[in-house]
Amino acid sequence: QVQLVESGGGVVQPGRSLRLSCAASGFNFKTYAMHWVRQVPGKGLDWVAVIWSDGTTQYYGESVKGRFTISRDNSENTVFLQMESLRAEDTALYFCAREDLSLGEFLDYWGQGTLVSVSS
Amino acid sequence: SYELTQPPSVSVSPGQTATITCSGDALAKQYAHWYQQKPGQAPVLVIYKDNERPSGIPERFSGSSSGTTVTLTISGVQAEDEADYYCQSSDTSFTSYVFGTGTQVTVL
Repeated sequence: QVQLVESGGGVVQPGRSLRLSCAASGFNFKTYAMHWVRQVPGKGLDWVAVIWSDGTTQYYGESVKGRFTISRDNSENTVFLQMESLRAEDTALYFCAREDLSLGEFLDYWGQGTLVSVSS
Repeated sequence: SYELTQPPSVSVSPGQTATITCSGDALAKQYAHWYQQKPGQAPVLVIYKDNERPSGIPERFSGSSSGTTVTLTISGVQAEDEADYYCQSSDTSFTSYVFGTGTQVTVL
């Protein structure tokens, strides 16, 4: 069955960096685009970034552009989110999710998320 | 960037019909998709491409589209349908994705 397992979250000081990982299994990872979506506890969903299946193209939400970088390792079935210059407002639960670009712009499976807390 | 607007909350009695709207200019040209999120859980896709239902999603969930508004309808609401619901779409260049503001459905 499809599984997406995020890791790497934790408490980090403002201005510091953190790298999140999402390990995928149960499907042909290299044929899917992968996303990061975040959610402040008690608030709505906020799209963060997408990377295409071959890793050649990435797009970002306005609030993270220039600070976050999405990447993937198709040999390890893993997608990453490198977060730099973290701010208090980046505190959220970070989900990874997959998308089949050939079917449409929707996310059909999600992980359970990893929590990032930016605090001094 | 653009926005998708949903009502903050909808209340419905068991067995009745819940209707959730999502409005945004991009919806005139782009598909919308819907997610259900229960407390402490990840979102689950319940409708894609305006009105398609993924396998495993009950038939009481349906979607429709008209102009710049899409609608999620839950017919014969059950207690287990109590959750937050989010619409989602992309911009016309497919370089940005956006979620609606979210609607909390309460089953009375």
